[in-house]
Amino acid sequence: QVQVVESGGGVVQPGRSLRLSCAASGFTFSSYAMNWVRQAPGKGLEWVAIISYAGSNKYYANSVKGRFTLSRDTSGNTLYLQMNSLRPEDTAVYYCARVGVTVTMDPDYNYYGLDVWGQGTTVTVSS
Amino acid sequence: SYEVTQPPSVSVSPGQTATITCSGEKLGDKYAFWYKQKPGQSPVLLIYQDKKRPSGIPERFSGSNSGNTATLTISGTQPMDEADYYCQAWDSSTVVFGGGTKLTVL
Repeated sequence: QVQVVESGGGVVQPGRSLRLSCAASGFTFSSYAMNWVRQAPGKGLEWVAIISYAGSNKYYANSVKGRFTLSRDTSGNTLYLQMNSLRPEDTAVYYCARVGVTVTMDPDYNYYGLDVWGQGTTVTVSS
Repeated sequence: SYEVTQPPSVSVSPGQTATITCSGEKLGDKYAFWYKQKPGQSPVLLIYQDKKRPSGIPERFSGSNSGNTATLTISGTQPMDEADYYCQAWDSSTVVFGGGTKLTVL
């Protein structure tokens, strides 16, 4: 069964760090670009970052650029989000989401939706 | 940076047609995507590439995209369709979400 499962959320003080993980199963992880999307309490979806299938290309939202780092472990089928210098406004549910096309089908993922989402992991930044 | 805009809320009576719009500069030159999210649940891809439905999505959900506006249409709206709906576009390899539209079925 195709799924992604996030973990690593918790309560952290402002300025501290946290690392989120997203474990993928049921599909060839190395063939898909992957995203993090977050949702603050009572708010809409906010895209955070994307990493290409091989990990060579990474893009970040301006709100997290320079503080968050995306990486992937292809052998372990895991996506990571290292979050440094956390702020109260980073408080949100963080979702891992797959882009719905493999690199062999189309290396340009800009034409495809996010077809697999995890259940999310909650990050609370508070003193 | 690119932005897409949705109305915050739309109301519809059961059995009627609901229309949710998503506006962005020359959005019709891009693909539009739609997601449905119910309270406490993860988003679900509803429409991709303007008008295609993933397997398992009912035929009453349809999409279109032209000019500056993409539209999600729900025909024969059911109470179970009450949810938040988000449009999405791509902008130079980054994902752009609209602010979301709360659909109320009453």
